[in-house]
Amino acid sequence: DVKVTQSSRYLVKRTGEKVFLECVQDMDHENMFWYRQDPGLGLRLIYFSYDVKMKEKGDIPEGYSVSREKKERFSLILESASTNQTSMYLCASSFQAGGRGGRETQYFGPGTRLLVL
Amino acid sequence: GDSVTQMEGPVTLSEEAFLTINCTYTATGYPSLFWYVQYPGEGLQLLLKATKADDKGSNKGFEATYRKETTSFHLEKGSVQVSDSAVYFCALSDPGSGTYKYIFGTGTRLKVLA
Repeated sequence: DVKVTQSSRYLVKRTGEKVFLECVQDMDHENMFWYRQDPGLGLRLIYFSYDVKMKEKGDIPEGYSVSREKKERFSLILESASTNQTSMYLCASSFQAGGRGGRETQYFGPGTRLLVL
Repeated sequence: GDSVTQMEGPVTLSEEAFLTINCTYTATGYPSLFWYVQYPGEGLQLLLKATKADDKGSNKGFEATYRKETTSFHLEKGSVQVSDSAVYFCALSDPGSGTYKYIFGTGTRLKVLA
């Protein structure tokens, strides 16, 4: 079974703290994604990576950065957490199958529910 | 740009009722279409998918047919169970548009009562 794991299920941080969310996949997938999920807004893409050290901005990258030093690991960083970053964060991975985008299934982790006070 | 629109929830049904969750899309190319399901406290998991027009995806009694003429991918199940209570997301991926993105709908919450 494909497994995508996220470092924490629940996290409480203070405004201004630096926050690290880690994601690891065990299927040798090229693509990895970070989304945030908010009620009524669905999933919004924060960042995407299609290879080690490669990243592209998604729809809402402001206030976030990412790091992909190894193929299996994709980290999301909140440089200075703010209350409007309170949300559910979902990591996903997929094969590339000949292109950066594609028809491949995304596999999701269980999510990290982050509360910023 | 590409987009996905799915019906607002919540949808509340009695056990064994027929389910339809509507999903329509706009896309510049020839997208693949997906239904994902999110059970309480979990991440999303693929329910079914279709990669070209007239394809039917099916899994666990759920079905959806890729209708290019109506740009739709409605999810159906003939007889729902309490265990089907979850949030359902319609999504598309359109490699022909030159982007890697997967576009998700806002989700439809289904509640099935015993």
